[in-house]
Amino acid sequence: DAKTTQPNSMESNEEEPVHLPCNHSTISGTDYIHWYRQLPSQGPEYVIHGLTSNVNNRMASLAIAEDRKSSTLILHRATLRDAAVYYCIPYSGGGADGLTFGKGTHLIIQP
Amino acid sequence: DAGITQSPRHKVTETGTPVTLRCHQTENHRYMYWYRQDPGHGLRLIHYSYGVKDTDKGEVSDGYSVSRSKTEDFLLTLESATSSQTSVYFCAISEERFNYGYTFGSGTRLTVV
Repeated sequence: DAKTTQPNSMESNEEEPVHLPCNHSTISGTDYIHWYRQLPSQGPEYVIHGLTSNVNNRMASLAIAEDRKSSTLILHRATLRDAAVYYCIPYSGGGADGLTFGKGTHLIIQP
Repeated sequence: DAGITQSPRHKVTETGTPVTLRCHQTENHRYMYWYRQDPGHGLRLIHYSYGVKDTDKGEVSDGYSVSRSKTEDFLLTLESATSSQTSVYFCAISEERFNYGYTFGSGTRLTVV
């Protein structure tokens, strides 16, 4: 499995954009980059995933570096409900199956 | 919301007793997973299933068994519960392994005393 490096925690203000970085320098060519988040006392929630191109959905945007060794999850306008632990997970679906979760980034949103 | 439910939501059991946790889905998804989450370890995969009667071990499978006799149900059994199995257990489902996201249940908090 590709190793990932994420900041332990980040802090942002409500209604401001948030950029959550992830380094995955050992990612394989077939790994998609998945992002999940986990709100307090809840199960993880899928946010977004992509392979090479930048991706957008209603929750967030995913910017993937050209060499695919890093990516950034962008929350365009953070709300208090976005306070959660965010996980970046390279995943191809092959081999020993299942997503491998690291420690993630604890995002704190200040009102 | 996505049709995945876990039962029970909370359970306290004694060391040495068998315990079965249930994950039920109404999405007809092929893949189902059991994870446990502990402070300092994050989420770790216990077992997964890629179809009826098709299961395989994950990272921390010792002391656990699973069964999937129907598409919609994935059972996790602790044959003889130990205090080290006190944890929060999450079930997840996925239609296709990497082109779609996983959907997780709300979790079962198990305490072994």
